[in-house]
Amino acid sequence: AQSVTQPDIHITVSEGASLELRCNYSYGATPYLFWYVQSPGQGLQLLLKYFSGDTLVQGIKGFEAEFKRSQSSFNLRKPSVHWSDAAEYFCAVGAYPSGTYKYIFGTGTRLKVLA
Amino acid sequence: DAGVIQSPRHEVTEMGQEVTLRCKPISGHNSLFWYRQTMMRGLELLIYFNNNVPIDDSGMPEDRFSAKMPNASFSTLKIQPSEPRDSAVYFCASRDSAYYEQYFGPGTRLTVT
Repeated sequence: AQSVTQPDIHITVSEGASLELRCNYSYGATPYLFWYVQSPGQGLQLLLKYFSGDTLVQGIKGFEAEFKRSQSSFNLRKPSVHWSDAAEYFCAVGAYPSGTYKYIFGTGTRLKVLA
Repeated sequence: DAGVIQSPRHEVTEMGQEVTLRCKPISGHNSLFWYRQTMMRGLELLIYFNNNVPIDDSGMPEDRFSAKMPNASFSTLKIQPSEPRDSAVYFCASRDSAYYEQYFGPGTRLTVT
């Protein structure tokens, strides 16, 4: 069955430090991959997406993600975290689990940024 | 574009009352999704419309929940009667079926007392 795993429920980093959020997926075909960010009291905002081509994709707010087929991973990175990056981050796979296209979400990683 | 619009943003109601949540998708998007988010269960897909037709409602928890999409620019999610366990944030999202990404609204925080 298709699934998305975000192994880290909480991550704390200092402002200015680098960040990597992990995402692993289980899907038989080439997946469509997404990262979303949810600030407190807000909806989910699309950070970046991967469908095909270059496996390193750039997104908004200085984020990037790398698709590694051999590891079934799509980790999100940022070289220098800002206090405003504190939020919850969701990885999602676009798939056809029952014939219709839908998202399979990970459980999210909550990022805390220390000043 | 204004993005996906949801109303109300907050709703507090008493158990047994009817609740109606509203969504206006992004203009030109022909797929619409209703999600529920709770601490315990995370993000759950409730129902999915394509060209105003319900395609997959397998996530609708029970008969108390119903959703409609009378036209391409409006959808409702109704809970009747509401129960305290329905308390959650309800998100609407839309998608242009020529693309793969969904765009989310700001959500409606529902509290049932």
